[in-house]
Amino acid sequence: TQLLEQSPQFLSIQEGENLTVYCNSSSVFSSLQWYRQEPGEGPVLLVTVVTGGEVKKLKRLTFQFGDARKDSSLHITAAQPGDTGLYLCAGVIPGSARQLTFGSGTQLTVLP
Amino acid sequence: SQTIHQWPATLVQPVGSPLSLECTVEGTSNPNLYWYRQAAGRGLQLLFYSVGIGQISSEVPQNLSASRPQDRQFILSSKKLLLSDSGFYLCAWSLGLAETQYFGPGTRLLVL
Repeated sequence: TQLLEQSPQFLSIQEGENLTVYCNSSSVFSSLQWYRQEPGEGPVLLVTVVTGGEVKKLKRLTFQFGDARKDSSLHITAAQPGDTGLYLCAGVIPGSARQLTFGSGTQLTVLP
Repeated sequence: SQTIHQWPATLVQPVGSPLSLECTVEGTSNPNLYWYRQAAGRGLQLLFYSVGIGQISSEVPQNLSASRPQDRQFILSSKKLLLSDSGFYLCAWSLGLAETQYFGPGTRLLVL
């Protein structure tokens, strides 16, 4: 059973469109991170959210941490082909000996 | 600044052959080190992590083993590769457990 569920698994959109990717869990996380990974490379950290209800913006990307710290969303405005990649969320469970728990990922393709 | 290296970048090995993948980190001391495996376009599965020299924790039973002979060196090994060992192997480091992880470029392993 995947602890962190991401949806959708695959998303293909046209350049200029907006999109939202979701990361959901039944567990509470002390923090949650979003990574982007391009083919053949390692994931690169985009943002870390820590406080319930927190919203962070990174240019055209807006990240939100749910009030209960069980879910998060990533919204991209006016997507560009350079946004194409695998988006991964990863969370830290309070008091757990485990490290980051990764979601299954959302593969985003932005068509020119 | 810190950098993380992995080699080789790509490896094709026959079933039953041994494996040794190497990961080194520069620019930091006493990092936590991680080995992940990733299926194509999917999330990361944590294989091993290490909090110090000679200290290895295994997350899943498997055909692989890990060693940390030096502070900033992490090695993933197998005595006899299986077809199911094929995948993309990522090494990562962090300053503390459950903190932001920084990934290497990965090694693509194909077992034939």
